[in-house]
Parts: sequence; structure tokens; C-alpha cells
Amino acid sequence: NAGVTQTPKFQVLKTGQSMTLQCAQDMNHEYMSWYRQDPGMGLRLIHYSVGAGITDQGEVPNGYNVSRSTTEDFPLRLLSAAPSQTSVYFCASSYVGPNQPQHFGDGTRLSIL
Amino acid sequence: SQQGEEDPQALSIQEGENATMNCSYKTSINNLQWYRQNSGRGLVHLILIRSNEREKHSGRLRVTLDTSKKSSSLLITASRAADTASYFCATSSGGSNYKLTFGKGTLLTVNP
Repeated sequence: NAGVTQTPKFQVLKTGQSMTLQCAQDMNHEYMSWYRQDPGMGLRLIHYSVGAGITDQGEVPNGYNVSRSTTEDFPLRLLSAAPSQTSVYFCASSYVGPNQPQHFGDGTRLSIL
Repeated sequence: SQQGEEDPQALSIQEGENATMNCSYKTSINNLQWYRQNSGRGLVHLILIRSNEREKHSGRLRVTLDTSKKSSSLLITASRAADTASYFCATSSGGSNYKLTFGKGTLLTVNP
């Protein structure tokens, strides 16, 4: 099993550009989530999904969209990148929800110029 | 808003010593989890303790939970240089059953 795979590992964007961060898991997990990690701020929840076709907002959803068309994939879209979105983004998954151990990807390091 | 807050923010010890990190939270919880993050990597789950448990062990790790004080501690015994990492607590609460809230972490440095 590959676990949780995030692509790309690094990305530099210009302000106003859009892009999609990819997250895929091969563990048949229903629950998937996206976090951003900023220095001194810990991890903050952006969006989460409890199954295919179901998504909801987390703590800091503005500027981000998600969709969940399959169990395996949970892409995160930046609609119009802003310097404030410079961060490290982590995707995580578990079988049914946050009351279980989460499996994390290795992150995408994103810089917005 | 952050639910869990780790203390201290940074801890530096010698190999072989014990390391204790604390986590405080604000609202009632379903469970509390501890994670480790090595530099440049994703988080790795260490241990989960449910709200009705008081202590849990896993290898060199010992976690305690005091729901009356809304706090937890993570003890790493006989530390090794490979334990150098950031450690985070995370809580799930009944009011937001599908969300896991992380603290800001403790950076542990174990000197050889």
C-alpha cells in the first residue's frame, strides 16, 4: 500500500493563478481532510469529506474548493492564489472519521509570489 | 481556533533522559491523539486515548489524560536522537464530531 500520496511536493505560483493539489489514498478510507500548516500556527483544517459526494468546511475554508467524486481522491483547488496561502498543505485520511488515527501524506509546499 | 495547546513549545534534552510534553484543551472531548512530525515530513500517529481512559502505554510512550483538568501528557522514556521531532496533540469533540483540532506542537530535540 502506498498510503496517502500528495502531489506535487513543491509548487511556486504567482498571485491570481489557480491550481489543484492532489491527494489519493489506497486504503479505502471514507474520511479525508485537508490541513494547512503555518509556522507557529499548528495545523488548521481547511475542508473535510466523510465519503464520496460529501464535503464540508473546516476552520479556514476561504479561497479553497474541494470535491470528492471517488473514495480514493480528494483534490484541493486554489481558485485565485494569494500570498496568504503560502503554506504547507497536508492531506489525511482514516476509515470513518476523526475519532480514529489519521494517516497523513508528506505534504505539498506551496509558495505564492 | 486551537483546541489543544502544547507545553513547552520547545524542549531540549540529552539522549537517555525522559521527555514530558503537556497538552491542554478547552472543551469536552471524545478522544485525544498524539502525533509526531519529523522535519519535512507528514504527521505520524503515535497513540489515541479515549475520554474514559486515564493512561495508555505504547512501547516507550506513556500518555495520561485528566479530563477534570482538561489536560494530557506524553512521556517518552529513555529518549533517542531519532525521537527528535515535533509532537502534536489533537482532539475530537462531541460538538464537532467530524473535525480533528490540532495544537501548535512541541519541538523536541534529543542531543546525542
